[in-house]
Amino acid sequence: GIQVEQSPPDLILQEGTNSTLRCNFSDSVNNLQWFHQNPWGQLINLFYIPSGTKQNGRLSATTVATERYSLLYISSSQTTDSGVYFCAVHLTGGGNKLTFGTGTQLKVEL
Amino acid sequence: DGGITQSPKYLFRKEGQNVTLSCEQNLNHDAMYWYRQDPGQGLRLIYYSQIVNDFQKGDIAEGYSVSREKKESFPLTVTSAQKNPTAFYLCASSPGRGYTFGSGTRLTVV
Repeated sequence: GIQVEQSPPDLILQEGTNSTLRCNFSDSVNNLQWFHQNPWGQLINLFYIPSGTKQNGRLSATTVATERYSLLYISSSQTTDSGVYFCAVHLTGGGNKLTFGTGTQLKVEL
Repeated sequence: DGGITQSPKYLFRKEGQNVTLSCEQNLNHDAMYWYRQDPGQGLRLIYYSQIVNDFQKGDIAEGYSVSREKKESFPLTVTSAQKNPTAFYLCASSPGRGYTFGSGTRLTVV
């Protein structure tokens, strides 16, 4: 099956700094989503991004489907950004099922 | 407000018992999904349903059962055949692009 790999697995930032999270996938995909899982387990959709670049406040994402990767940028990080970031992909010909990566655990410190 | 409601938030089960996790959505989404998350890991697909009265097995369906008698409801039963049921269970729905997740149910076998 498709492999979805995220890096780094863990990241500690000082508040106010920037970071880039990466998602690589091994097969052709129809679409890709980025999620943030807060400490209580709630998954929040950040971006639905099959290709190109999108921005939402301090967050932006870029997907290059032809090269099979996506990047999530976090600028001016805040303690509320802490949690786990997942990318998830819809396989081409796989219906609307999402396959998740293993996540990046982010901790933002004061 | 539209959304997905999962209940209960916490559930304790004795070994050998079946338990049913509730998932209700008022988003008018056709597709619904059940995922399992183990500590420090990503989400794995248990079952999914694209339309009422139809559902398919995901990657880890053994020991689980579902029903989809109404568009709004997709309950998951964890049977005694599931050997390691302690986990965090997340329900999601989709209109065809993008997922919305519920807040999850933490199941513990005691």
